[in-house]
Amino acid sequence: AQSVSQHNHHVILSEAASLELGCNYSYGGTVNLFWYVQYPGQHLQLLLKYFSGDPLVKGIKGFEAEFIKSKFSFNLRKPSVQWSDTAEYFCAVRGPTSGGSYIPTFGRGTSLIVHP
Amino acid sequence: KAGVTQTPRYLIKTRGQQVTLSCSPISGHRSVSWYQQTPGQGLQFLFEYFSETQRNKGNFPGRFSGRQFSNSRSEMNVSTLELGDSALYLCASSHGQSDEQYFGPGTRLTVT
Repeated sequence: AQSVSQHNHHVILSEAASLELGCNYSYGGTVNLFWYVQYPGQHLQLLLKYFSGDPLVKGIKGFEAEFIKSKFSFNLRKPSVQWSDTAEYFCAVRGPTSGGSYIPTFGRGTSLIVHP
Repeated sequence: KAGVTQTPRYLIKTRGQQVTLSCSPISGHRSVSWYQQTPGQGLQFLFEYFSETQRNKGNFPGRFSGRQFSNSRSEMNVSTLELGDSALYLCASSHGQSDEQYFGPGTRLTVT
């Protein structure tokens, strides 16, 4: 079955520290990749996405992610986090299932707390 | 542009009852997806509608159903509610099926 794994469930950092959140997926075929963020009390919103082309994609608020096809990974990075980055981060993959559907699967999420 | 709206925001139901949740997508979006979010299972895909047709379906029992109207608004229905159906139900809309999704605030359903 298709799955998305986020390795870090809880991450605590100090401001200015660097961030890398891991995401691995198991899908055959072409996939669309996404990172979503949910700030406290707000809706889920898109951080960045990868459909094709340059595997290094840049998103909002200084976030970037690199798609490594051979490793089935799409890790999220930010060189220097801020207190306002405190949020829940979700990796999502949309790809084909064995039944022919093309459904999105979300990881379980990573809770990031940034201390000022 | 107005965002995705969901009604009601909170709902309390009793086991065995049924419930209907509503979602209004962003204007111009033709795809609407529904998700169930729980602490134990995370975000799970329920189904997706595009131009009034169900295009994809997740692994949920038949008690969960939905529909989409000609104006792209969507409803989700859960019949014979169980305690385990207590969750946050999220709706997301997009232009096309594979595009980025814009999420609504969710409907918090509590089944007692």
